[in-house]
Amino acid sequence: AQTVTQSQTEMSVQEAETVTLSCTYDTSENNYYLFWYKQPPSRQMILVIRQEAYKQQNATENRFSVNFQKAAKSFSLKISDSQLGDTAMYFCAFMKDSGYALNFGKGTSLLVTP
Amino acid sequence: EAQVTQNPRYLITVTGKKLTVTCSQNMNHEYMSWYRQDPGLGLRQIYYSMNVEVTDKGDVPEGYKVSRKEKRNFPLILESPSPNQTSLYFCASSFAGLASYNEQFFGPGTRLTVL
Repeated sequence: AQTVTQSQTEMSVQEAETVTLSCTYDTSENNYYLFWYKQPPSRQMILVIRQEAYKQQNATENRFSVNFQKAAKSFSLKISDSQLGDTAMYFCAFMKDSGYALNFGKGTSLLVTP
Repeated sequence: EAQVTQNPRYLITVTGKKLTVTCSQNMNHEYMSWYRQDPGLGLRQIYYSMNVEVTDKGDVPEGYKVSRKEKRNFPLILESPSPNQTSLYFCASSFAGLASYNEQFFGPGTRLTVL
């Protein structure tokens, strides 16, 4: 079974600053997919960014980017120019190439302060 | 509007009283799934369905049942709820095929409390 570990339970960043959320995973699969989901206070699950393991290039989506280190099994999320609306719980998730189930980490609560 | 809907959004019930949480999607998705979210544990998959009449257990299926009689609906049934099933429940759906390219859409969540 795949495990996803988010070592940071809570983080805080000031508006306009940059913050990095950590995620590591354990798998014996060679092909797989990694995701970051955002859960604001509304509880809605929102896909932030995804990364295919076979792609060396790190994914970016506007202010959000990842640092994917396949050998180290690390998948961190960088949020640049943090905004108050980025305040949320962030979940890292793993999915096997042959499957559909998302294996989630326990989440990191991010607070963006003025 | 493309969406996944869940009902009810909030439910307080008592131990042993059967309940059903409905999930419906209007995107013609083949794959549907239920997750539960608990503090400090993230989301864990309960059951999933690859298509009509095809369901299978996820990581935490004990105490739950599902059915998939229609493509758009995937209800979650708790035949005899217990307090340890107090949780936040999410339904999700996506197209099948190349799973990695098919974003899973999540419903708004159902907050269940079992007394």
